Amino acid sequence: GAVVSQHPSWVICKSGTSVKIECRSLDFQATTMFWYRQFPKQSLMLMATSNEGSKATYEQGVEKDKFLINHASLTLSTLTVTSAHPEDSSFYICSVPVAAVTYNEQFFGPGTRLTVL
Amino acid sequence: DQQVKQNSPSLSVQEGRISILNCDYTNSMFDYFLWYKKYPAEGPTFLISISSIKDKNEDGRFTVFLNKSAKHLSLHIVPSQPGDSAVYFCAARFQGAQKLVFGQGTRLTINP
Repeated sequence: GAVVSQHPSWVICKSGTSVKIECRSLDFQATTMFWYRQFPKQSLMLMATSNEGSKATYEQGVEKDKFLINHASLTLSTLTVTSAHPEDSSFYICSVPVAAVTYNEQFFGPGTRLTVL
Repeated sequence: DQQVKQNSPSLSVQEGRISILNCDYTNSMFDYFLWYKKYPAEGPTFLISISSIKDKNEDGRFTVFLNKSAKHLSLHIVPSQPGDSAVYFCAARFQGAQKLVFGQGTRLTINP
């Protein structure tokens, strides 16, 4: 498996400021990481695929200029919410896909709760 | 367009009984299905999975059944324990892809 950490675990910011969320794969080199967002009582929605050494791939409807992703190394991907607004308040989760012989799954970080005032 | 659906937002089961969580999907190109368990303010943790070429996979108290013709899968937990209380997400993966499509989740509550 893979151990995935996120920092910070929660953040409160004022509207208009930018917030950076880090996702680290502690024991596995990840060329790919996924960023999800979960609104209360809703599903996890894939926002983007973070690719080490290249541009991220964004899902339809996700603004790439608002949600900046940087996959600087095989163990770190960052998501920056630029000019955050209250509607960006959500639970942001990253995951690391791990391929194995008999199954192929993703290991998730603990998530970051963002509250924009 | 919700390709993976969990139509029951919540389920309450008595401790020791069987819990059955259901999931439906619409895209026949999905080749792998997974169940995740999630506690509040935590990331999901992998529970069990099944390939589309199988109809059943069992791991301890957890069994996943797949009915391809009905595009339906279910997770059975028996016997249910208080620690099983959580939100359960069904997820599906396209052949050759790594990203997952999640259902809305079902909140399972095990009553003592």
